Amino acid sequence: EAQVTQNPRYLITVTGKKLTVTCSQNMNHEYMSWYRQDPGLGLRQIYYSMNVEVTDKGDVPEGYKVSRKEKRNFPLILESPSPNQTSLYFCASRIRGLAGGQETQYFGPGTRLLVL
Amino acid sequence: KQEVTQIPAALSVPEGENLVLNCSFTDSAIYNLQWFRQDPGKGLTSLLLIQSSQREQTSGRLNASLDKSSGRSTLYIAASQPGDSATYLCAVLGPSYDKVIFGPGTSLSVIP
Repeated sequence: EAQVTQNPRYLITVTGKKLTVTCSQNMNHEYMSWYRQDPGLGLRQIYYSMNVEVTDKGDVPEGYKVSRKEKRNFPLILESPSPNQTSLYFCASRIRGLAGGQETQYFGPGTRLLVL
Repeated sequence: KQEVTQIPAALSVPEGENLVLNCSFTDSAIYNLQWFRQDPGKGLTSLLLIQSSQREQTSGRLNASLDKSSGRSTLYIAASQPGDSATYLCAVLGPSYDKVIFGPGTSLSVIP
């Protein structure tokens, strides 16, 4: 089954304790992305990756890191989490495509993070 | 900078009604526009994707249209059902072909 998986699904942590949220896709997609969703602010893009070893900042990258060492995995790293990073996080993937704009995004189930 | 808005923010309709959700974007240089559905506490499910060269897409009771020149897309839901209750989000890809900008969503409630 084609899917994007995220782990953990729920996480409670304390300020400053480094954490990693994993994301994996089994569709051989080149493009992967992380979003956060907050009430009143909607979904905002944190980082994206066009392919292995290629990453770039989205609209709200501060306080986050990513890496893309393998095509299927795109972990989100919070080196020193703060309470304002409490949010619902989504990972997504799609084929990169060359033209035509046919690239449907597939989303993971989300990770709900609470930073105390 | 691309901005995406959705009207209305919330909508409540009786079962069986046809309804229209609206999505507007400020930069017409997009590659595609995608409509998603999100159920409470769940992830996003893709409903329809319209390429920039297309005018509309249909899937079952759903029809999405795109007017790039005016920066608008509509999602038409025919014969609404209680199971259609969810938040509907539109998202545009572009103009740089890598960033995705989401609208804030329309919360739909279909009353039996």
